[in-house]
Amino acid sequence: AQSVAQPEDQVNVAEGNPLTVKCTYSVSGNPYLFWYVQYPNRGLQFLLKYITGDNLVKGSYGFEAEFNKSQTSFHLKKPSALVSDSALYFCAVRDPGAAGNKLTFGGGTRVLVKP
Amino acid sequence: NAGVMQNPRHLVRRRGQEARLRCSPMKGHSHVYWYRQLPEEGLKFMVYLQKENIIDESGMPKERFSAEFPKEGPSILRIQQVVRGDSAAYFCASSPLGPGNRGPLHFGNGTRLTVT
Repeated sequence: AQSVAQPEDQVNVAEGNPLTVKCTYSVSGNPYLFWYVQYPNRGLQFLLKYITGDNLVKGSYGFEAEFNKSQTSFHLKKPSALVSDSALYFCAVRDPGAAGNKLTFGGGTRVLVKP
Repeated sequence: NAGVMQNPRHLVRRRGQEARLRCSPMKGHSHVYWYRQLPEEGLKFMVYLQKENIIDESGMPKERFSAEFPKEGPSILRIQQVVRGDSAAYFCASSPLGPGNRGPLHFGNGTRLTVT
């Protein structure tokens, strides 16, 4: 079975400081990994994905994430956070070798960027 | 190209009534997923459908919940005899490909169900 853990319920950071949102995963094979962001009363917006290749992937709005196979992690990062980055962030995993095609999500991390 | 469309955005039902939630996937997408989000929680998978077929319903409650994705028209998530615990945001997502898909799921803005 596939699973995702986001160990922090909330992350507070000052505007202009680097932002990191942690994610670890568990799958039986090689994972497909995704990050989404959710603003209030909205659906999830796709930020970036890792499928294969370079461990550092770049996505929308200046976000990037680093895949670390040995630590089974896929942490989301942004070098300089903006107040508008305040939102709920979800990490998700798909096991391409498993039956079906669903994404399994972590519990989410609320990011609060203070001016 | 319109995104995933869900309606209604908000739905209020009394205990015991039925709730019908609709989802029109993105154009060209034939795979639909339903997720439920309880307040301050993550998204929990409910069901995965292709046109006219339920592929994976491992996340669906055994009673009162059903889903369909007919050949024509939107996907429907149906909740019979709603209870207060059904109050949640229900999200639909779609993709153009099935198993092995390397792309993301595309999400609608959700239907927020409130049971009074």
